[in-house]
Amino acid sequence: AQKITQTQPGMFVQEKEAVTLDCTYDTSDPSYGLFWYKQPSSGEMIFLIYQGSYDQQNATEGRYSLNFQKARKSANLVISASQLGDSAMYFCAMREGRYGNNRLAFGKGNQVVVIP
Amino acid sequence: NAGVTQTPKFQVLKTGQSMTLQCAQDMNHEYMSWYRQDPGMGLRLIHYSVGAGITDQGEVPNGYNVSRSTTEDFPLRLLSAAPSQTSVYFCASSDRERLISGANVLTFGAGSRLTVL
Repeated sequence: AQKITQTQPGMFVQEKEAVTLDCTYDTSDPSYGLFWYKQPSSGEMIFLIYQGSYDQQNATEGRYSLNFQKARKSANLVISASQLGDSAMYFCAMREGRYGNNRLAFGKGNQVVVIP
Repeated sequence: NAGVTQTPKFQVLKTGQSMTLQCAQDMNHEYMSWYRQDPGMGLRLIHYSVGAGITDQGEVPNGYNVSRSTTEDFPLRLLSAAPSQTSVYFCASSDRERLISGANVLTFGAGSRLTVL
């Protein structure tokens, strides 16, 4: 069974608009971590944001915020004020289990194209 | 400040050939791992290591070997390449402090694109 589900088709976003990327996850472990990575066309993987399962508040990092809805097992990424440089693939990933485990399960990604 | 260095960036092999993808990090990270990325599949974990001398299998280990004789290096070996191993390979690492805290952010190399004919 897929642990991370990202099913949105490719998205076109107007520059300066906000965009939300959906991610749902599946785990029975009470301790887990959720990550978002960006992969531009150049190919490198860039860490964006992290949310721990016990964190009370939604994570934020600059223009990135994570809308964490634990009961729904949802960890959507919100990018505010989109820029042309935000055009990329975005991957949601999960670490299951307690600290010390760094095995990540990745989703298939969301493609975002920002248009001027 | 090199980070995670992967070599080669591109490689073409014939079926049955062997090769080693090199990965080196200069951040004294204890944790290192190899992922493969196929179109429409996201990244899948091949092997990982939590320290020198310790390795373990990930989600898709078949056809690959690893070793970790030093903290810095984590090579990935393909003993007999198959077309199904055509992929982009990423090496990633993280430090022990982040590993323990849970916010175990991985630092990725630039990737190695392998084609097996």
